[in-house]
Amino acid sequence: QQQVKQSPQSLIVQKGGISIINCAYENTAFDYFPWYQQFPGKGPALLIAIRPDVSEKKEGRFTISFNKSAKQFSLHIMDSQPGDSATYFCAASPHSGGGADGLTFGKGTHLIIQP
Amino acid sequence: EPEVTQTPSHQVTQMGQEVILRCVPISNHLYFYWYRQILGQKVEFLVSFYNNEISEKSEIFDDQFSVERPDGSNFTLKIRSTKLEDSAMYFCASRQGTGTGELFFGEGSRLTVL
Repeated sequence: QQQVKQSPQSLIVQKGGISIINCAYENTAFDYFPWYQQFPGKGPALLIAIRPDVSEKKEGRFTISFNKSAKQFSLHIMDSQPGDSATYFCAASPHSGGGADGLTFGKGTHLIIQP
Repeated sequence: EPEVTQTPSHQVTQMGQEVILRCVPISNHLYFYWYRQILGQKVEFLVSFYNNEISEKSEIFDDQFSVERPDGSNFTLKIRSTKLEDSAMYFCASRQGTGTGELFFGEGSRLTVL
């Protein structure tokens, strides 16, 4: 019940295309859903996050879509650029992310944007 | 920009040896975490620390692991008797405690157990 399932494991997208990564969770106590971006040799860095009171959040080219009834959320990267090539992790936690609970991460998606 | 710093960046040790990984969280942050990432796999929660004590820990964080905040700035992870399967990247993270739930991660300490 603590798992966050992420797909696909790897993704190749042409420059300018839309990258879509999906995640699903089971624990209904989760109410904070961030996406982290990780470049090789670096720690994960927060990209964008959503709470379940909204169904969509957009920041620049990055959009999270959230479906509370299906317990699914996804990351859309519009106009994908080679600099977006990285590993993306979805995550979830309870208490709106404000408690001491750790984040539960998905297994990650290795995204490659081809020029 | 404030950042979480970790040392060492890479440590090689023999199986059975003790290892201490060090972290300096962002100065006004209140929550501290250790995560582990085995090569090519997902980031796994180990432990969270708040108000000078462990708040949560995962099943990975068994008796061979311990954490400490020995002074006002450092946060350490000790592995008492390393095993081959402890080889991983260990990330320290910190969170402010108010506002967003954003975790700020360090660049990690790579541990190789031979």
